[in-house]
Formats: sequence, structure tokens, C-alpha cells
Amino acid sequence: QSALTQPASVSGSPGQSITISCTGTTSDVGTYNYVSWYQQYSGKAPKLIIYDVTNRPSGVSDRFSGSKSGNTASLTISGLQAEDEADYYCSSMRSFISVVFGGGTKLTVL
Amino acid sequence: QLQVQESGPGLVKPSETLSLTCTVSGGSISSTEHYWGWIRQPPGQGLEWIAIIRYNGQTYYSPSLKSRVAISVDTPKNQISLSLHSVTATDTAVYHCARQIDYHWYFDLWGRGTLVTVSS
Repeated sequence: QSALTQPASVSGSPGQSITISCTGTTSDVGTYNYVSWYQQYSGKAPKLIIYDVTNRPSGVSDRFSGSKSGNTASLTISGLQAEDEADYYCSSMRSFISVVFGGGTKLTVL
Repeated sequence: QLQVQESGPGLVKPSETLSLTCTVSGGSISSTEHYWGWIRQPPGQGLEWIAIIRYNGQTYYSPSLKSRVAISVDTPKNQISLSLHSVTATDTAVYHCARQIDYHWYFDLWGRGTLVTVSS
């Protein structure tokens, strides 16, 4: 099954805001409000940072926010910090009862 | 504190079966609110959802892997297991065990993963 589409890389300077897009179809992102985002440092397990499109788990910085419009979900990181440099993955429920991930986006803090 | 730990052979020969176990500690696997599952990540690539299972044996599989995969649960041992048959080099990946929230389809607890290499 084809993955959700994310940009391969994004970059930004400290203090700036960046947005990572995640494009799916009407079979996943466009229909279900079950989009989640994960942060992964090299060699580590992914960490949940956004669930159900806009919700942040306890302990996750409010600099991370999520949104969705049509078939595209977005993750915005404001006030970029060096520690935000990592890989980011989106995920969505897909018809009929499965989960699909994006290809991942490498964030570089300049 | 709830933790998950994957275990299994790091090397599997082509055409053979990959078998992995995930042990949950610090809590029970028998939760009505959660599924437990497997996600893999080939070296340098993205994440791929494989399968999930509930304590009562209810399962869901990735359509692309369904013909080769089996997932099972052992509630007394607090473990889930994964079998992937007829492996090829493309199955080489880090295999993560994770907890999925029912009705919300996100993973809130992940294991560090175990690298499985398919090679003769």
C-alpha cells in the first residue's frame, strides 16, 4: 500500500517556524480525523507528538501543533530549537481498518 | 512504568520464517483500550505498519503483508509474537513493538526495536 506523501526534508533557523505537510487520499487523511505525528531521533524509537490531528500528549511542547485541510495534514513547529532536529513521520487510519505512515521528513535546524 | 521489549534472532535466511516476541512489563497486556502491534523500518527508510492484536485475539493486518504474516498473543506471559513467512532481503528492517490506542489509531508507547537482517 502506498505511503502518505511527505517532503523528504525541511529546514529552518532557530526561532523560526516550519511546517511539514502530509498528503493522503479520501481513503485516509481526507476521511478520518485519526492523523498522528511522530518524532524520531537517529537510532531511537519514534515518539508520539500529535494525535487525532490536533492533540498533544502530556509532556509534549506546545511549540508543536497539528492541523488538517482536505487530504493534507500539517505539523507546525514554532520557535524552532536545535533539539527539534530529527525525522518526523505522519500516520493515518486508512480504509478498511489499517494504518499508513508517511515516508518521513528530515528536519534540519540551520 | 510500562515498557515493551522486542526479542528474536538478528539474522534470518531467505525463504525462511522470521519470528519475533514482544514482552510487556510494568503493566498488563489485557487492556480493553489498547491493541499491541508491530511496525517495521528498513534501514534509512520510513515506517511500515504490519499488524495489531488485542488481548482477546482480535487482529488486523496490513493488506500488503497479510498473506505472509501472523500475529498472536499470550496473555499469561504478557507477550505478543510476530511470524513473517518466506522472507526476502526486502524484509530486512528494525521491527518495533508498540501499543495502539483503540478507536484512535495512534501508537503511544514504542519499543526500541530489533534489527532483523535477511541474508544467506
